[in-house]
Order: sequence, then structure tokens, then C-alpha cells
Amino acid sequence: EVQLVEAGGGLVQPGGSLRLSCAASGFTFSNYWMGWLRQAPGKGLEWVANIKYDGSEKYYSDSVRGRFTISRDNAKSSLFLQMDSLGGEDTAVYYCARDYSWSSDNWGQGTLVTVSS
Amino acid sequence: QSALTQPASVSGSPGQSITIPCSGTSSDVGSYSHVSWYQQIPGKAPKLMIYEVNNRPSGVSDRFSGSKSGNTASLTISGLRAEDEADYYCSSWATTSTPWLFGGGTRLTVL
Repeated sequence: EVQLVEAGGGLVQPGGSLRLSCAASGFTFSNYWMGWLRQAPGKGLEWVANIKYDGSEKYYSDSVRGRFTISRDNAKSSLFLQMDSLGGEDTAVYYCARDYSWSSDNWGQGTLVTVSS
Repeated sequence: QSALTQPASVSGSPGQSITIPCSGTSSDVGSYSHVSWYQQIPGKAPKLMIYEVNNRPSGVSDRFSGSKSGNTASLTISGLRAEDEADYYCSSWATTSTPWLFGGGTRLTVL
């Protein structure tokens, strides 16, 4: 069974940084693209970033490019999202997801990031 | 404002069929077959229902189907059940600076 478990969310001040992690199990992590998506409170889904199975390609949404960095450790079946220069617009539940055939076929339960002073 | 356009809400009675449209442009829905649909029960993580326009993942009921015509994709749910009540989101690959786009979501109410 595919399992994705996010961690690292919490309360952070505007301008601060946070690093999210996602522990994957139940599949061969190094064979899949992986991604991060988010959902602001009461709002819709937003794609944030994804990374190729070997880490050689990374893509970002306009809203986070230059502030967020996606990375992975295939040896530890882990995905990461380094978030810098955080603002109120980044407050959201962040989901880790496995990419499959141009979609996200498995999602974690999400971790809440709140940016507030 | 979301990049893909969906109606905010749709409703139907048990047993009926409903269709949720997802309107895009020639830079996204119109140019690729990379359209997917997600179901989200409030408070839960999204679930993939349709990928590549009209493919169902294993375990998804065949009451769910997808299609595309021009710049508009659609999700059809037949034989509506109370358990189908949820938010539904469409998504598409795009040739824009943000390569993955989502619709704003449609709240389905089963009357």
C-alpha cells in the first residue's frame, strides 16, 4: 500500500522559513516523479512544484519560484520542500503526492503551514 | 481567479447523471490529453478519479467518466449516490510558466 506522510508544518512568522518533508513507502520511490500541492483555508487546490525521479529536473509554480526549493533523497524515500521568504499567501495545507501519467495518483494527509505574526 | 474554469456548484438527485465542465484554453486543455479530475471530501486529501482525460484508476467506480472537446474537459457521474457529494477539481498540463493548472473546484450536492 502506497503511503505518503508529511511532516514539518507549523506556525512561522512572515519572512521566515520552513522545511517540509514527506516519507514515502509501499512503492519504489526512485521510479516516480513526486510533487507538492497546497490548499489555502477554504480555497481550491494549487500545484506548487514537482521533481523528476532522479532529481535532475524541477518545476515550480509562478507563485513560489525563487522562494521554494523541492528536493529528494531516494536512498531514504523522502521528498522535501524548503520554503523561504514566507508570506500570508503561503498559509495552506501542503500535500505531498506521487505523480503518475500526468496526474497525482496518491496523496498524503497534508501538513498545515500557517504564516502569521 | 483560477486558470481553469469550473462552475462553483452543481446538484442532482440520486440515480441521475450530472456533468461538470472544465474550461481551459489552447495552451492547456485544448492542446493536451493530460487532464485529470480529483474528488475531495471536506477535511480529507484529494483522490484521483480520472487521468489522461478518460482513464479511471483501479478501484474507481465506472460511474465516473471523463471526456474532452476542444478547450473544455468534462467529468460525468452517472447513477448519483449520496456518497458522491464532494468537491471536484479538474487539472491540466499547460504550456505556461506554471505547468500544472487547477480549476477552482465544483461542489456537488446530491439532493
